[in-house]
Amino acid sequence: GAVVSQHPSRVICKSGTSVKIECRSLDFQATTMFWYRQFPKKSLMLMATSNEGSKATYEQGVEKDKFLINHASLTLSTLTVTSAHPEDSSFYICSARDGAPRSSAQHFGDGTRLSIL
Amino acid sequence: EDQVTQSPEALRLQEGESSSLNCSYTVSGLRGLFWYRQDPGKGPEFLFTLYSAGEEKEKERLKATLTKKESFLHITAPKPEDSATYLCAVVPRGGADGLTFGKGTHLIIQP
Repeated sequence: GAVVSQHPSRVICKSGTSVKIECRSLDFQATTMFWYRQFPKKSLMLMATSNEGSKATYEQGVEKDKFLINHASLTLSTLTVTSAHPEDSSFYICSARDGAPRSSAQHFGDGTRLSIL
Repeated sequence: EDQVTQSPEALRLQEGESSSLNCSYTVSGLRGLFWYRQDPGKGPEFLFTLYSAGEEKEKERLKATLTKKESFLHITAPKPEDSATYLCAVVPRGGADGLTFGKGTHLIIQP
């Protein structure tokens, strides 16, 4: 149980392109989903918290106009990297919490490797 | 500021050689501490949640323990398939709902 699917797994595109990443909870409903970014040999860093039906909450230093998040249903959240540039290249991972309490476990997708040329 | 420090950064063991991974944390009140396993190119796989000092949880060859300042992940008689990066993360009582992660311990089990 508690499977999270993330798509696509890898994207290579030119600078200036916008890229959309999907995150789906397959066997449970997730009122809260999260987006993280991981650079090589670094910790996963929280980018934003996505609540179904409301605006996402972004962490300090994360540009909300650059990273658009939509959480329109209890099983789907999307992250759109707008006008991507080489410095946006990274490993983006989503997670979904399997319960309302903040202490509930988060279950992760397999990530999206984004490479901007 | 909430901080999570894991040690060692890397650990190489022989198959069957038991050891422990450390996770030290500094948070303004702990709501939960989580252990994950991450394989190369994959997302983290949930292992355990610990909520209060003194708590222990076990799963196969893994046992996680928690004190007020740190958590240990004990690996008993490991096998090569236990090779992975083990991540520790916390959710504080205040602040963001998301996890604050350590950098992980890269564990290699040699046959």
